[in-house]
Amino acid sequence: GENVEQHPSTLSVQEGDSAVIKCTYSDSASNYFPWYKQELGKRPQLIIDIRSNVGEKKDQRIAVTLNKTAKHFSLHITETQPEDSAVYFCAAPTDSWGKLQFGAGTQVVVTP
Amino acid sequence: EAGVTQSPTHLIKTRGQQATLRCSPISGHTSVYWYQQALGLGLQFLLWYDEGEERNRGNFPPRFSGRQFPNYSSELNVNALELEDSALYLCASSLETGEGTRELFFGEGSRLTVL
Repeated sequence: GENVEQHPSTLSVQEGDSAVIKCTYSDSASNYFPWYKQELGKRPQLIIDIRSNVGEKKDQRIAVTLNKTAKHFSLHITETQPEDSAVYFCAAPTDSWGKLQFGAGTQVVVTP
Repeated sequence: EAGVTQSPTHLIKTRGQQATLRCSPISGHTSVYWYQQALGLGLQFLLWYDEGEERNRGNFPPRFSGRQFPNYSSELNVNALELEDSALYLCASSLETGEGTRELFFGEGSRLTVL
């Protein structure tokens, strides 16, 4: 299978709270897991990524965790701010490193 | 440095026609990727080109095709257009890092509308 499943599809959080988005993948050979953020009307942009030899990676208010055994990885956003409102996509390579499959996306809405 | 550029920005066609979309990668990037983003849906992998060759394709019918030119720019062709082909087509490019990671730099996309 080549699926990357992402949950939830929508997430509404109050400013200052945390947001967690979860993804599962099927290709056990996958070794690279990026997260992209797409603001309304704009292009997707990489915000953080993790390789399979690392269990967790942090960059200021965002962090990604990876569980290779369970084949899932998660994005954590702490102290959410209105500018975090966007669609977030997880991704994983399947079949070959250049075939990056994206999850269906999570619409995050941060309310003041 | 210029980012990934795509043309046209918008394209309107009728069923059965053909559409051609173009993409110029960031200078020095040799890999080009095409994704389809239908309204409200995610990014569906279409094609990956590297060094002028098609390396992989997604689960799309053969009427979706493309090529990569010697200057690494790329073209996506969609033949026999159907209504459900209406979508934003995103092109991305990447640079070989030698570490197994690939940051994709996306263009603004070409909005194709099939009437």
